[in-house]
Amino acid sequence: DSGVTQTPKHLITATGQRVTLRCSPRSGDLSVYWYQQSLDQGLQFLIQYYNGEERAKGNILERFSAQQFPDLHSELNLSSLELGDSALYFCASSVEAGYETQYFGPGTRLLVL
Amino acid sequence: DAKTTQPTSMDCAEGRAANLPCNHSTISGNEYVYWYRQIHSQGPQYIIHGLKNNETNEMASLIITEDRKSSTLILPHATLRDTAVYYCIVRVARGAQKLVFGQGTRLTINP
Repeated sequence: DSGVTQTPKHLITATGQRVTLRCSPRSGDLSVYWYQQSLDQGLQFLIQYYNGEERAKGNILERFSAQQFPDLHSELNLSSLELGDSALYFCASSVEAGYETQYFGPGTRLLVL
Repeated sequence: DAKTTQPTSMDCAEGRAANLPCNHSTISGNEYVYWYRQIHSQGPQYIIHGLKNNETNEMASLIITEDRKSSTLILPHATLRDTAVYYCIVRVARGAQKLVFGQGTRLTINP
């Protein structure tokens, strides 16, 4: 158990819908990272937040957005969902914003029908 | 971040040492070598990391060659629960927040 929690574990929705994935980092960690794992793309970095501020961005679609709240939990919002958005979404956390080890949560499996 | 090359798959007998190689010939002096593994579709699990010295923890040992162009992750007594995809990642010491995952090595531990 890494100490990072994610909810929900599974999510099934329809195309065009909007969903919110939630992540709680390890106690004391200020940075949260979001990754997407699909069958054809592998594990890909989406976005990072540090202490409430966006710190780095990967190839995150404009339909996707994230935020980190004062209590340091983070939410990833996916809108206008397409079939290709079906994937595993992982959250990771680290103490600070740079080179520290990232610890991953169990993930949310999203299925768009 | 430097590119890494790993074998696509490997097999190892239960109870034996599993040695997973990784080539990172373009590694820079300030880049660390990290190892993660992913068991089935669970979240990636941190194993170990190092800069130039060999490292050991309760999970594994990391051997980095003197020229730092390659490394080997050693699981000393592999069990069936070590069956997973193992990722070797090279990462700068500061500033690079994201982890860049390649295809990894699918390690199968056989009874």
